[in-house]
Amino acid sequence: EVQLLESGGGLVQPGGSLRLSCATSGFTFSSYAMSWVRQAPGKGLEWVSTITGSGGSTYYADSVKGRFTISRDDSKNTLYLQTNSLRAEDSALYYCAKDKGYNGNYLVDYWGQGTLVTVSS
Amino acid sequence: EIVLTQSPATLSLSPGERATLSCRASQSVGSFLAWYQQRPGQAPSLLIYDASNRATAIPARFSGSGSGTDFTLTISSLEPEDFAVYYCQQRSNWPPTFGQGTKVEIK
Repeated sequence: EVQLLESGGGLVQPGGSLRLSCATSGFTFSSYAMSWVRQAPGKGLEWVSTITGSGGSTYYADSVKGRFTISRDDSKNTLYLQTNSLRAEDSALYYCAKDKGYNGNYLVDYWGQGTLVTVSS
Repeated sequence: EIVLTQSPATLSLSPGERATLSCRASQSVGSFLAWYQQRPGQAPSLLIYDASNRATAIPARFSGSGSGTDFTLTISSLEPEDFAVYYCQQRSNWPPTFGQGTKVEIK
C-alpha cells in the first residue's frame, strides 16, 4: 500500500523558514517524480514544485521560485521542501504528491494527507 | 499559464441523478486533462486522466470526455459518497494548473 506522510508544518513568522518532509512507503521511490501541491484554507489547489525521479531536474511555480527548494533522498524514501522567506500568502496545507511517471507527468496518483503551514506574526 | 475555468461553481442534485461538470481551458491542452475528487477533510484523489481514462478502482459511473479546450466529467448516477468537490487539472504546459472546482452538493 502506497503511503505518503508529511511533516514539518507549523506556525512561522513572515520571513521565516520551514523544512517540510514526506516519508514514503509502498512503492519504489526512486522510480517516480514527486511533487508538492498546496491548498490555502477553503481555496483551490496550486502546484508548487516537482522533482524528477533522478533528482536531476526540478521545477517551481513562479510564486515560489527562488524561495523554495525541492529535494529528495532516495536512501530514505523521503521528499523535502525547504521553504524560505515565507509570506502570508504561503499559508496553506502542503500535500506531498506521487507522480504517475519518472520524468514528471504532472499527474498525481497518490496524495498525502498534508502538513499545515501558517505564516503569521 | 493555462487558466482552467470550471462550471458551474455549485451543482445541487439528488442521489441517483446525473451530474455533468465542465472544464474549459484558456488554450488547447490536447488530451492532457485530469479530474480529481476531494471529499471534505480529505486529500484529492485521481478519477480520470488524459481526458477519458478512469484511474485504478474508479467506478464506471464516472466518465470523462473532451479534447483541446472543452472537457466534461459525467457521473451517471450519483451515489452518496460522490457529493464532493471536483477539480480539473491540465498537464500540457508548465506549471500544471487546476480549475477552481465544482462542488456537487445534495439537493
